[in-house]
Amino acid sequence: SYELTQSPSVSVSPGQTASINCTGDKLGGRFAAWYQQRPGQSPLLVIYQDIRRPSGIPARFSGSNSGNTATLTISGTQAIDEADYYCQVWDISNWVFGGGTKLTVL
Amino acid sequence: EVHLVESGGGLAQPGGSLRLSCAASGFSFSSYGMNWVRQAPGKGLEWLSFLSTSSGTTYYADSVKGRFTISGDSGKESLYLQMNSLRAEDTAVYYCARVVYGGNSWSRYYYMDVWGKGTTVTVSS
Repeated sequence: SYELTQSPSVSVSPGQTASINCTGDKLGGRFAAWYQQRPGQSPLLVIYQDIRRPSGIPARFSGSNSGNTATLTISGTQAIDEADYYCQVWDISNWVFGGGTKLTVL
Repeated sequence: EVHLVESGGGLAQPGGSLRLSCAASGFSFSSYGMNWVRQAPGKGLEWLSFLSTSSGTTYYADSVKGRFTISGDSGKESLYLQMNSLRAEDTAVYYCARVVYGGNSWSRYYYMDVWGKGTTVTVSS
């Protein structure tokens, strides 16, 4: 079965750029999505089809996907961006999530 | 406005059953796929099951195959998850989510653009 790997935690200072990686075999050949989950809330789609932002998601959120790594980048990180972030792909009748990355804004 | 509202969670005994519901509003239920996803306490997201409301196609994660059954009622714009033979490890918050999918034969995309607030299932004696 297909697997996605994420670092458990990433720290960033306010105003700096945060990069959250998701790795999987030939991941660049699949479309990745990213979800933000703040404490006590349900997940929120922030990136889909590798690079697209849903309506209402700030432009500081961007995505890329190439080779074996998909990356969620948050530019000018704000305190409200502190959350867990999950990558997700589809693999022949299965939805696969990464283990999640806790973003701490120090 | 698009909404998904889950219900039916609660306390169940090991080996018991529960039926979760997800009421959809603000969109055409039969035009989207639907997923159930759960999150055990302190853990990550786990996909459980998919329903194509247009074709009736269903998929299940290995962890629930044979125990859980997904279904939908387009007239009531509702999604269901019948959970049987419950185990302690099924304790989690259960979310329903709207699925957007498409693309072509060599490049398919699948993602969940709307999520409910979840319903909590606790399996314990």
